[in-house]
Amino acid sequence: GQNIDQPTEMTATEGAIVQINCTYQTSGFNGLFWYQQHAGEAPTFLSYNVLDGLEEKGRFSSFLSRSKGYSYLLLKELQMKDSASYLCAVSVVTDSWGKLQFGAGTQVVVTP
Amino acid sequence: GAVVSQHPSRVICKSGTSVKIECRSLDFQATTMFWYRQFPKQSLMLMATSNEGSKATYEQGVEKDKFLINHASLTLSTLTVTSAHPEDSSFYICSARDKLAGVTYEQYFGPGTRLTVT
Repeated sequence: GQNIDQPTEMTATEGAIVQINCTYQTSGFNGLFWYQQHAGEAPTFLSYNVLDGLEEKGRFSSFLSRSKGYSYLLLKELQMKDSASYLCAVSVVTDSWGKLQFGAGTQVVVTP
Repeated sequence: GAVVSQHPSRVICKSGTSVKIECRSLDFQATTMFWYRQFPKQSLMLMATSNEGSKATYEQGVEKDKFLINHASLTLSTLTVTSAHPEDSSFYICSARDKLAGVTYEQYFGPGTRLTVT
């Protein structure tokens, strides 16, 4: 299986920047996803990284280093609505169905 | 595009009864659908992988006789919780992979079903 670690909770102020780290140990890595999940709702897709480097999408950016088994999600210009759980998920090539293994999630609390 | 629906969104049932949850891909064909369970303040735990026209593959520790999965078409998968007990109360979420997704393993999630067993 894969060990996927991310911090349990982070707190930041509205307008600030927060970086959520995710480390993983896996064989046959085939991509890393970040999802946002508000309480009681389904996860929504934020980003996908399969090659090393930074992917930027508006206020959200995601970085991947395959050699280090490390990714981060960067949230800029935080808004109150960004308060949610952020899930890191990994897929592996050995699974042709594209199963994802999820980390425990990082609860981000944005304060005024 | 890529919308997945689930029905019902909430269900309350008595202990010992069975409950069926439907997962539909509305605007794409899904050869593979996934069923997850999520307890409060915890992450998604994969229960099983469902492929159209074949038997589902269950994750270790998930009872296949208790959680019956049927993937009868490219747009519909069902999860039946048989003889439900209070410990089965949870948030059940399905997701689907687009048949045309190729090597991108993005999953589109349904809105989830909140099951409460009394």
